[in-house]
Amino acid sequence: AQSVTQLDSHVSVSEGTPVLLRCNYSSSYSPSLFWYVQHPNKGLQLLLKYTSAATLVKGINGFEAEFKKSETSFHLTKPSAHMSDAAEYFCVVSDRGYSTLTFGKGTMLLVSP
Amino acid sequence: NAGVTQTPKFRILKIGQSMTLQCAQDMNHNYMYWYRQDPGMGLKLIYYSVGAGITDKGEVPNGYNVSRSTTEDFPLRLELAAPSQTSVYFCASTEGTFYEQYFGPGTRLTVT
Repeated sequence: AQSVTQLDSHVSVSEGTPVLLRCNYSSSYSPSLFWYVQHPNKGLQLLLKYTSAATLVKGINGFEAEFKKSETSFHLTKPSAHMSDAAEYFCVVSDRGYSTLTFGKGTMLLVSP
Repeated sequence: NAGVTQTPKFRILKIGQSMTLQCAQDMNHNYMYWYRQDPGMGLKLIYYSVGAGITDKGEVPNGYNVSRSTTEDFPLRLELAAPSQTSVYFCASTEGTFYEQYFGPGTRLTVT
């Protein structure tokens, strides 16, 4: 079985400061991991994905995530937050042999001026 | 290239009514999915399909039905709508299990 835990339901940062959104996963096999972003009243957009290549994955808009198998973590980071980063972020896992994704409950990122 | 389209964008239903949420994709993807999103709960999988004529239940299938007669279309049917089905519904498609899922813009459904 696969599962995802996003450790914070809300994260607040000031513009220009670093962003850290935490995600732990559970998987029976070698997983694929994704981060999606959802802006208010919009659909979901892929930020980045890990599929067993490099453990440090770079995504769009300056985001990156590091796959740490020993810690079963896939935390999302960005060096400097921008106001436009304010959105909800979902960590997602897909096990080998499954046709489906499992979503975390989401982390709302709030960015203040 | 339209990607994944969903209709309608908004709908209000009375308890006991039925309706079909439409989803279409023009990327020739075999895999298609229906999710519902409730506040603070992330996305829950309702049904999915791995190709025309093949569908399977997800985590929360009760009260819903699907069909997949073509690669492009994957409609979701609500029979006997209930207030618990008030939610935002997203359709998605992908070319394979470990690939990015592409999401439609969503349908906001209210059942009163």
